[in-house]
Amino acid sequence: SAVISQKPSRDICQRGTSLTIQCQVDSQVTMMFWYRQQPGQSLTLIATANQGSEATYESGFVIDKFPISRPNLTFSTLTVSNMSPEDSSIYLCSVAGLAGETYEQYFGPGTRLTVT
Amino acid sequence: GENVEQHPSTLSVQEGDSAVIKCTYSDSASNYFPWYKQELGKGPQLIIDIRSNVGEKKDQRIAVTLNKTAKHFSLHITETQPEDSAVYFCAASIEYGGSQGNLIFGKGTKLSVKP
Repeated sequence: SAVISQKPSRDICQRGTSLTIQCQVDSQVTMMFWYRQQPGQSLTLIATANQGSEATYESGFVIDKFPISRPNLTFSTLTVSNMSPEDSSIYLCSVAGLAGETYEQYFGPGTRLTVT
Repeated sequence: GENVEQHPSTLSVQEGDSAVIKCTYSDSASNYFPWYKQELGKGPQLIIDIRSNVGEKKDQRIAVTLNKTAKHFSLHITETQPEDSAVYFCAASIEYGGSQGNLIFGKGTKLSVKP
């Protein structure tokens, strides 16, 4: 498996501001993903972070609202832009494609965001 | 597209009893089925997975069974312990040529194990 860290672990933000969440993995991975999990709900894929190119967004999520970077095989950021209370959620980084493994997918600890 | 249904949404058992969580999927092309355990305040943890070339897989007290014909798979936890209390998610995806399609998750089952 992989050790995945996220920063910050939680934050309380004012509406209209933006927050950038960082995801760091301790080994190179093929795939990195960003998910949203609203309280008491299941996981929803926001986008796949592609190294060196634009992220691939799922239906209902757009780059202007959730810009994503992936400069290398171990690091990615997700920005939540122009936040509103509806963006209050847990944001999870996920990775797959570790060397020597088949295609298991692992999750980070999450970033708990509250927008006031 | 793929749809994954998970039942029950909540499950309460006595310590030492067995717990079973069931999922059905709609896309017959799905061939990879992981299960995740999410404890309060933590990210989901992969606990076991199964691929469609096998019907059952065990790891100590947990096991997963797959019925491809009926398109359902189940998680079995034996000799439950209070630390098994968590939310469990099933998921399905398609693995192909060394890559994998997106995981589609069930809505989760909150398992409570009473001492």
